[in-house]
Amino acid sequence: EPEVTQTPSHQVTQMGQEVILRCVPISNHLYFYWYRQILGQKVEFLVSFYNNEISEKSEIFDDQFSVERPDGSNFTLKIRSTKLEDSAMYFCASNQGDTQYFGPGTRLTVL
Amino acid sequence: AQKVTQAQTEISVVEKEDVTLDCVYETRDTTYYLFWYKQPPSGELVFLIRRNSFDEQNEISGRYSWNFQKSTSSFNFTITASQVVDSAVYFCALRASNPGYALNFGKGTSLLVTP
Repeated sequence: EPEVTQTPSHQVTQMGQEVILRCVPISNHLYFYWYRQILGQKVEFLVSFYNNEISEKSEIFDDQFSVERPDGSNFTLKIRSTKLEDSAMYFCASNQGDTQYFGPGTRLTVL
Repeated sequence: AQKVTQAQTEISVVEKEDVTLDCVYETRDTTYYLFWYKQPPSGELVFLIRRNSFDEQNEISGRYSWNFQKSTSSFNFTITASQVVDSAVYFCALRASNPGYALNFGKGTSLLVTP
């Protein structure tokens, strides 16, 4: 069964460093998303991507964040200058129909 | 604006008990979708069910059942004869009709099933 994959599973970085989180959505899916979950809290929407452009973004998704689909399979989230409060689990999701399927997540720890 | 409320923060039951997880939502949309996801201790988000606003038929899948009531804006989830493997955080989520829209999650209910 096809699934969304994410790499790395865990990333540790120093405050102020740039990080790129990678996702491979399910191959025939058209809509791609990034969500984050701060430890012990709810899952929060960051951004959605369709037809090679951002279709919706939340207040969390400020100028420090960017997304890209550099080729036909990868979908990346870049955080330009990480802050301590960026420490969270980042989930990628994709869908073609009405159900979003989530990847296993990348745990980002900012020191 | 959309809002999902899961008032139960934590529930603890003994194995084989039935348990109901509550979900109340708010939306101005006439067409919308409701979802339940399970997050086991390993951390991934596992899709359980999707229901659209025009389909109020209750659904049963093995030990799981869902009760959707538009009149009370609720989409409750019942686990019958709970098992230790059901221990997880369960999230209810709401989405507008367009498949490209974001999921709006509740805060989740942490379910602990003890032997």
